[in-house]
Amino acid sequence: ETGVTQTPRHLVMGMTNKKSLKCEQHLGHNAMYWYKQSAKKPLELMFVYNFKEQTENNSVPSRFSPECPNSSHLFLHLHTLQPEDSALYLCASSQGGTSGGHNEQFFGPGTRLTVL
Amino acid sequence: GQSLEQPSEVTAVEGAIVQINCTYQTSGFYGLSWYQQHDGGAPTFLSYNALDGLEETGRFSSFLSRSDSYGYLLLQELQMKDSASYFCAVKGDAGNMLTFGGGTRLMVKP
Repeated sequence: ETGVTQTPRHLVMGMTNKKSLKCEQHLGHNAMYWYKQSAKKPLELMFVYNFKEQTENNSVPSRFSPECPNSSHLFLHLHTLQPEDSALYLCASSQGGTSGGHNEQFFGPGTRLTVL
Repeated sequence: GQSLEQPSEVTAVEGAIVQINCTYQTSGFYGLSWYQQHDGGAPTFLSYNALDGLEETGRFSSFLSRSDSYGYLLLQELQMKDSASYFCAVKGDAGNMLTFGGGTRLMVKP
């Protein structure tokens, strides 16, 4: 496999369910990201992991819980979500570090989440 | 805070040239990126400008004016496959974060 993969591609869950989204990158990158994409809204950055350490939490509600066990894998654990959390959740990866240089982000295909 | 403004929709005909503008207000600035996203697809990187001026990559060019907090993406010889959403994004610090604009939906008509 190449690039950034995400599973599942589609997920329907009730508000009381617990589920997890998985992201895997095969690019040798050290930074990974979770974004939320809702209709007619900008891509919203949720979390950033740099060398497995969380470096950004963009005021995300605690019902979203990220996990980064290694540089290649990123999870988003979901529990007691609300219908307004329905969106496309995109994972991305890039070279890590804080050198100030440009690090192109490579996106996965996303998980389309529907909360009933 | 950070904010980016770009038009929500642009329509053009095949073979034409279209310019998608992006203005930004950010507390810091390292560079401006452009990403393309087809319906149902993942965003893919198009270009990055850190310095003022025009960067050309095939049919696509990107321009930046740091003094005006403004950039644009220029698409030439439009093809039907260029129909997609285009996002500008600012790199505001030395780290990895990008702040994205709301996206411009480009519709190319025959």
